[in-house]
Amino acid sequence: NAGVTQTPKFQVLKTGQSMTLQCAQDMNHEYMSWYRQDPGMGLRLIHYSVGAGITDQGEVPNGYNVSRSTTEDFPLRLLSAAPSQTSVYFCASSNPGFMNTEAFFGQGTRLTVV
Amino acid sequence: ILNVEQSPQSLHVQEGDSTNFTCSFPSSNFYALHWYRWETAKSPEALFVMTLNGDEKKKGRISATLNTKEGYSYLYIKGSQPEDSATYLCAFWGGSEKLVFGKGTKLTVNP
Repeated sequence: NAGVTQTPKFQVLKTGQSMTLQCAQDMNHEYMSWYRQDPGMGLRLIHYSVGAGITDQGEVPNGYNVSRSTTEDFPLRLLSAAPSQTSVYFCASSNPGFMNTEAFFGQGTRLTVV
Repeated sequence: ILNVEQSPQSLHVQEGDSTNFTCSFPSSNFYALHWYRWETAKSPEALFVMTLNGDEKKKGRISATLNTKEGYSYLYIKGSQPEDSATYLCAFWGGSEKLVFGKGTKLTVNP
């Protein structure tokens, strides 16, 4: 059982380039989300989705797009990379509601924008 | 914006010491409080999901308590070992579609 799979694990981009971070889960979870982790800032929510075809903004959505065409996949697109987007990105999935269910995280993508 | 605070930010203890740290969260609209363990270069993994006031959960040498009326949870580690070194995150769920994380407590256990 793979759980949550993120690719790539590492990426270096030049300012202005675009790229897509991939996230896939095989647990049939309705809820998926993207976080970024910066030193001293904890995990901050970028975008989330409560099901296929539904996405919404989190705390820090600017500069990022998401789509959810299937239950399994939730890619994160950087439209025009900026140095401020240098961060570690985590994708997570869970069953709806967090009352009795935990979030499952991918291994993370370390992105550097130069 | 919901405020979830963790203290201390970092902690250094000797092997064998017992330690604890705190997560503070809003006492209104409480649904659940999560604790995650996050080792360097790995992904966060859930330790506990707590929902009831007065709840106490235990996993090996790690335990957690919950006070929803005053808005805090404690995480305890008994007899710390070097492999306990990690960042411990708490996350608050207030019934919305978002899980709100604290900034974490980084624990280093020296052999």
